[in-house]
Amino acid sequence: AQSVTQLDSHVSVSEGTPVLLRCNYSSSYSPSLFWYVQHPNKGLQLLLKYTSAATLVKGINGFEAEFKKSETSFHLTKPSAHMSDAAEYFCVVSENYGQNFVFGPGTRLSVLP
Amino acid sequence: EAQVTQNPRYLITVTGKKLTVTCSQNMNHEYMSWYRQDPGLGLRQIYYSMNVEVTDKGDVPEGYKVSRKEKRNFPLILESPSPNQTSLYFCASKRGSSYNEQFFGPGTRLTVL
Repeated sequence: AQSVTQLDSHVSVSEGTPVLLRCNYSSSYSPSLFWYVQHPNKGLQLLLKYTSAATLVKGINGFEAEFKKSETSFHLTKPSAHMSDAAEYFCVVSENYGQNFVFGPGTRLSVLP
Repeated sequence: EAQVTQNPRYLITVTGKKLTVTCSQNMNHEYMSWYRQDPGLGLRQIYYSMNVEVTDKGDVPEGYKVSRKEKRNFPLILESPSPNQTSLYFCASKRGSSYNEQFFGPGTRLTVL
C-alpha cells in the first residue's frame, strides 16, 4: 500500500530565504510523485511531478524537488521565498499508472515580511 | 476556457436527505475523480473513473455513489448524508491513464446537520 508523510504541518520562513518542505513516501512499486499547491480558498495546482525520468525535477515558480529512492523522500525546495508562496502544499504518490492517488496531510507555508 | 466546474459550491443539508454534487469538464478528459478534504488529512480519494461506464473505489468510498454516463460529467451522489460527510469536496480530471496533471474544480463545501 502506498502512503505519504509530510513531516511538518506548518513551516514559516522569511521572504527571500530558502524553503524546504519535506515529504517521505511508502510504495510497493516504483511510484510517481507530485507536489500540488493550494492557495487560500482556491483549487489545487500542480507544481511539479516525478515519473521515473530525471531525479531532480523543476517545476513552476522556481520550485524544484529531488527524488531519492534510498531515502524514500521527495522534498520540495525553493531558493528564495516570495510572499505569494504562502499556501498549503501537498505531496502526492501514485503507483498504478495514475489511477488512484494518495495525498499527504499537507504543509502550510507562511512567508513573513 | 479549459475548466472543471462543480455545482453547487456551497450546500447545507440535513441528515438523510439525498443530494447530488455535479462535476463537468470541457477538456475531453478520460479520467475523472472525486476527493474530500478534511483538516489534517489532506485529500482522500472517494471514487475515480477511467472512462465512460468505468468507475472504481478510492480510499474512502463508503456512503457515496458515482456514475459516468457521459465523458464530460461525473456526479457524486450521497444517498443518505450523515454529519461525518461534512467536508470540502473536489472533482478532478486528466487525460488518459498515465501520470498526467490532474485539473481540479473549485470545490464544494458541504455541511450535513
